[in-house]
Amino acid sequence: DAGVIQSPRHEVTEMGQEVTLRCKPISGHDYLFWYRQTMMRGLELLIYFNNNVPIDDSGMPEDRFSAKMPNASFSTLKIQPSEPRDSAVYFCASSRLPRGGGNQPQHFGDGTRLSIL
Amino acid sequence: GENVEQHPSTLSVQEGDSAVIKCTYSDSASNYFPWYKQELGKRPQLIIDIRSNVGEKKDQRIAVTLNKTAKHFSLHITETQPEDSAVYFCAASKPGGSYIPTFGRGTSLIVHP
Repeated sequence: DAGVIQSPRHEVTEMGQEVTLRCKPISGHDYLFWYRQTMMRGLELLIYFNNNVPIDDSGMPEDRFSAKMPNASFSTLKIQPSEPRDSAVYFCASSRLPRGGGNQPQHFGDGTRLSIL
Repeated sequence: GENVEQHPSTLSVQEGDSAVIKCTYSDSASNYFPWYKQELGKRPQLIIDIRSNVGEKKDQRIAVTLNKTAKHFSLHITETQPEDSAVYFCAASKPGGSYIPTFGRGTSLIVHP
């Protein structure tokens, strides 16, 4: 089990540029989540997918943010145009469907530390 | 929706002491309560979880208790060690379609040698 894989690990770019974050969930997991973590706001859920379908994107802060999951093994989070206040650590997580009525834990990737100058 | 409150926000203890972190939740339908540990610069990792059909679960120096009536659950770490220093997050989730966990704001635990 390779775990959830995110890339890049670090991204530094100038304001206005497009940023694309990538995630490969654990094989066989049905849910994929994108989180943003900052000191001020803690861990915020941005969007999650079930079987590649976006279920709830109410946490996406603005139209500048978009996420896709074209297949079961890949997802992207895109920010266009980026702004300094987007600087944060972005985590991707995946989990299985609940089993026998019991929810399953989330497995997090190592995150992408994003700095917008 | 669900609301999870976590206290304290910071906790400082001496090595060997016990540490207790408490969380309360608002939705009585929540039935799954995981705890995550996040070391500095690392990802959150599950350390223990509890389901609503049990009141306590233990794994070596870590234990979690759940009081469904009062809607609160706690993480207990005994014989703390410097490597226990991290941010700990609690979470609560409901069964079925409303699966998505709600996280607490986190507790920064510092264990002094």
